[in-house]
Amino acid sequence: DAGVTQSPTHLIKTRGQQVTLRCSPKSGHDTVSWYQQALGQGPQFIFQYYEEEERQRGNFPDRFSGHQFPNYSSELNVNALLLGDSALYLCASSFPKRMMNTEAFFGQGTRLTVV
Amino acid sequence: AQTVTQSQPEMSVQEAETVTLSCTYDTSESNYYLFWYKQPPSRQMILVIRQEAYKQQNATENRFSVNFQKAAKSFSLKISDSQLGDTAMYFCAFIYGGSQGNLIFGKGTKLSVKP
Repeated sequence: DAGVTQSPTHLIKTRGQQVTLRCSPKSGHDTVSWYQQALGQGPQFIFQYYEEEERQRGNFPDRFSGHQFPNYSSELNVNALLLGDSALYLCASSFPKRMMNTEAFFGQGTRLTVV
Repeated sequence: AQTVTQSQPEMSVQEAETVTLSCTYDTSESNYYLFWYKQPPSRQMILVIRQEAYKQQNATENRFSVNFQKAAKSFSLKISDSQLGDTAMYFCAFIYGGSQGNLIFGKGTKLSVKP
């Protein structure tokens, strides 16, 4: 089992550009959540996708958008990048029906640096 | 608002000794779960231990145990027989029914195990 995989592992973008991050959930999982972890902080919830729809969203601007594909993989898109978007972006997968008693499996994250 | 507070930014412990990491949380929910996650330098979040709020018995996983004080909204992690591989960031987190899988994290405690 490959677990949760994210790509790329690192990338550098310029302010104003757009970026797409990718996540493949653990085998058998159909829910994907995205988190932003700024340096020295705990992860902050961005949004969650289930059945190809955004089910819940945290306090992030509309510049952050996502998508889930029929194979449950997901993308996180960030438009008009700001320096403050520099962070580690974590993807987590889980089972929705067991969300209150489930282990969310995390990927190793994508380190985004905006210059 | 649901919040998690970890008051110890950094801690250190000698190998083979015991250390306790503190966590307090604030919620008006009655049904929730609490977690401790470990994030080593590899960046991947790993679940250490989980506690169901309706269970009075403290959870234990090998060398890891918790002290769950529901009335005080306290959830500390005790690591016994500390090992060099325990060096990592430790995050306290919780999830409740209305969050639909959204983990709420504290800011973390950096634990260093010294030989």
